[in-house]
Amino acid sequence: NAGVMQNPRHLVRRRGQEARLRCSPMKGHSHVYWYRQLPEEGLKFMVYLQKENIIDESGMPKERFSAEFPKEGPSILRIQQVVRGDSAAYFCASSRGAGETQYFGPGTRLLVL
Amino acid sequence: AQTVTQSQPEMSVQEAETVTLSCTYDTSESDYYLFWYKQPPSRQMILVIRQEAYKQQNATENRFSVNFQKAAKSFSLKISDSQLGDAAMYFCAYRTLNSGYALNFGKGTSLLVTP
Repeated sequence: NAGVMQNPRHLVRRRGQEARLRCSPMKGHSHVYWYRQLPEEGLKFMVYLQKENIIDESGMPKERFSAEFPKEGPSILRIQQVVRGDSAAYFCASSRGAGETQYFGPGTRLLVL
Repeated sequence: AQTVTQSQPEMSVQEAETVTLSCTYDTSESDYYLFWYKQPPSRQMILVIRQEAYKQQNATENRFSVNFQKAAKSFSLKISDSQLGDAAMYFCAYRTLNSGYALNFGKGTSLLVTP
């Protein structure tokens, strides 16, 4: 299955810890997007990356959140010093080219205790 | 602000019947793409159907079709011959060509399919 892979599927952290979420795009895709879904809400865009570049981070909180997509390896969404309000499902999507259809991974459910 | 409104938080349909989920959006752009995504209990986001705004013909994918009314900024999803596996949250979304590549999602409609 060459779909978008995300791990871990579930992540539990205590307040103040760091959370690292990984996303491997579909084969042949070099564009990655991160979205956050709060309970009872739709998905909200966070950041759009191409290999080694952040293209659009307009939806990313200014503090504690960062994202990267290195030349080799998966894209990483990093949340430092997590707070309870960070509890959500984080989805990664990938596309072959800019503006092409985005295909989603299964998401990572983050729970902050 | 660009928004997507799904006015039906919940809908119910009997197996084999037809149901229509509504969606309206607000954008000042003339070129954009519209999407319906399905999120079953597994929480995976699955693309159901997409529509290019410049195309007048409504998109169709097997039992799924859309009614795209560009002037009214309306993009409803029709599911024919509903099946139990269609039960899910359905999200309407759009993306403009000139305002980045982010998808703008509505809050979703929960579809219940009864035997």
